[in-house]
Amino acid sequence: QVQLQESGPGLVKPSQTLSLTCTVSGGSISSGDYYWSWIRQPPGKGLEWIGYIYYSGSTYYNPSLKSRVTISVDTSKNQFSLKLSSVTAADTAVYYCARGELDRRCSSTSCLVGHWFDPWGQGTLVTVSS
Amino acid sequence: QSVLTQPPSVSAAPGQKVTISCSGSSSNIGNNYVSWYQQLPGTAPKLLIYDNNKRPSGIPDRFSGSKSGTSATLGITGLQTGDEADYYCGTWDSSLSAGGVFGGGTKLTVL
Repeated sequence: QVQLQESGPGLVKPSQTLSLTCTVSGGSISSGDYYWSWIRQPPGKGLEWIGYIYYSGSTYYNPSLKSRVTISVDTSKNQFSLKLSSVTAADTAVYYCARGELDRRCSSTSCLVGHWFDPWGQGTLVTVSS
Repeated sequence: QSVLTQPPSVSAAPGQKVTISCSGSSSNIGNNYVSWYQQLPGTAPKLLIYDNNKRPSGIPDRFSGSKSGTSATLGITGLQTGDEADYYCGTWDSSLSAGGVFGGGTKLTVL
């Protein structure tokens, strides 16, 4: 079964760029109709979707983070990565990578989107501090 | 401030049933499918329900989901102490600020 594992520095200085990598095992990042996603959770708070990348390289970001976020994919290594620039203390969070489903289904009258994440990586805490 | 609204906490006794609500709008829950996640203390979230009411393989039928209008509900029957966790709803928001959205989470206490 597919497993995901985050890796990267646990401490980043303010104004610098946070960089994390997610390694996918048990399945190819290039197979299937999945959207490889990043989600974060500040300490004691709820979940925030950051964005996703399709194996072809197409991306979609949370509008509130879009100006600072870059998600990339390396299919040869079965990895995808997150870069978040100009970080502040507000970016301190546990960062999760997850496999996402984004499925648009249309009837004669309307289109509905199915969107969920499964599985998730174990998460990695990134602290922004000098 | 989360896009979807959940009660901060709910509680019930072992063996009882509990429901957790998730309220949104026409741009998210009203016109898209809802998912639910369970986050046990110190662990990553785990998918419980997708497409409003479907359970992934391995999720017991004690967990159920439903949707009506712009609200969704997670139901848990036969509560166990191991169900103590934070529960999150999620969906897609199709507004101008489109993207994935979550509720603020609900802490379930099994008394």
